[in-house]
Amino acid sequence: NAGVTQTPKFQVLKTGQSMTLQCAQDMNHEYMSWYRQDPGMGLRLIHYSVGAGITDQGEVPNGYNVSRSTTEDFPLRLLSAAPSQTSVYFCASRRAGTYNEQFFGPGTRLTVL
Amino acid sequence: SQQGEEDPQALSIQEGENATMNCSYKTSINNLQWYRQNSGRGLVHLILIRSNEREKHSGRLRVTLDTSKKSSSLLITASRAADTASYFCAASTGTASKLTFGTGTRLQVTL
Repeated sequence: NAGVTQTPKFQVLKTGQSMTLQCAQDMNHEYMSWYRQDPGMGLRLIHYSVGAGITDQGEVPNGYNVSRSTTEDFPLRLLSAAPSQTSVYFCASRRAGTYNEQFFGPGTRLTVL
Repeated sequence: SQQGEEDPQALSIQEGENATMNCSYKTSINNLQWYRQNSGRGLVHLILIRSNEREKHSGRLRVTLDTSKKSSSLLITASRAADTASYFCAASTGTASKLTFGTGTRLQVTL
């Protein structure tokens, strides 16, 4: 199993550009999440999904959209990139249920100029 | 807002010593989890303790949970250089068991 995969690994955008960060998992996990990690702030939840067709906002959703058309994929879209969105983005997945660990992807390092 | 706050922010010890990291959280939890992150990598799950448990062991890891104080601690015994990483606590809350992460402790283990 590949686990959780993310593409691209690195990306540089100009302010105002849009892009999609890809995330896929092959573990048939119901739950998927997107986090951003900034220095000294730990990980903050952007959006999450508890199953195909169901998404919800996390702690810092502004400027980001998500959709979940299949169990495997959970793309994160930046609508109009801003320098404040410079960060490392992590996708994670886990099985449904209260006591299941999350599996993380390797991350995407995004710089917005 | 951050659910978990950790201390210390950074910890430097010698190989063979024990390392203790502490985490405080703000609201009622379903469980509390600890993750490790090596530099430039994704997070790896270490251990999960349920809200009705007080202590849990896994290899060289020992986790305690005090729900009355809303705090947890992670003890790594007989540290090795390979334990050098950042360690994060994550509080699981709500019906969707969302995870809210602390700010992390950077552990440096020297030979």
